Amino acid sequence: EVQLVESGGGLVQPGRSMKLSCAASGFTFSNYGMAWVRQAPTKGLEWVATISYDGSSTYYRDSVKGRFTISRDNAKSTLYLQMNSLRSEDTATYYCTRGGYTLNGWGQGVMVTVSS
Amino acid sequence: DIVLTQSPATLSVTPGESVSLSCRASQGISTSIHWYQQKSNESPRLLIKYASQSISGIPSRFSGSGSGTDFTLSINRVESEDFSVYYCQQSYSLPLTFGSGTKLEIK
Repeated sequence: EVQLVESGGGLVQPGRSMKLSCAASGFTFSNYGMAWVRQAPTKGLEWVATISYDGSSTYYRDSVKGRFTISRDNAKSTLYLQMNSLRSEDTATYYCTRGGYTLNGWGQGVMVTVSS
Repeated sequence: DIVLTQSPATLSVTPGESVSLSCRASQGISTSIHWYQQKSNESPRLLIKYASQSISGIPSRFSGSGSGTDFTLSINRVESEDFSVYYCQQSYSLPLTFGSGTKLEIK
């Protein structure tokens, strides 16, 4: 069974940084691209970033480019999202997903609130 | 960016009815469309990939069709557990984009 468990969320002030982690199990992590998708309160789904199976390629939506970094440690079966210069509009539940383009497997999500 | 327009925004049905949900892309995307279900306070789950390909563990009453710009998710004989929000998503080009969702509610 695919399991994705996010951690690292919480309340953070605008302009500060936060790092999310996603521990994967139940599948061969190193065989899959991965992605982060977010959902602002009462809103729809928004893709944030994708990373290839080996970490050699990364892609971002324009609004986070230069501020967020997606990375992975295949030895630890863990996905990361480093978020810098956070803004209020980054407030959302962040989901870790298996698959960089077709998202077949989602974590339970972690809430990130950017507020002073 | 490719815009996905879902209709209707809300669909009120009686359990046992069959329904069709629409997703229209702003440009041709072949069959690079995927459908997700999100129940209240839960994470989304993949229902259909590449317009019509089934996913292991998803009930057979869910099916998909379409290509190019027009896509449909069909639910044959809606059950009580199906009342939730449905999203389409395209993987034809980056950025990946989602439709705004169709809420399926009990009439």
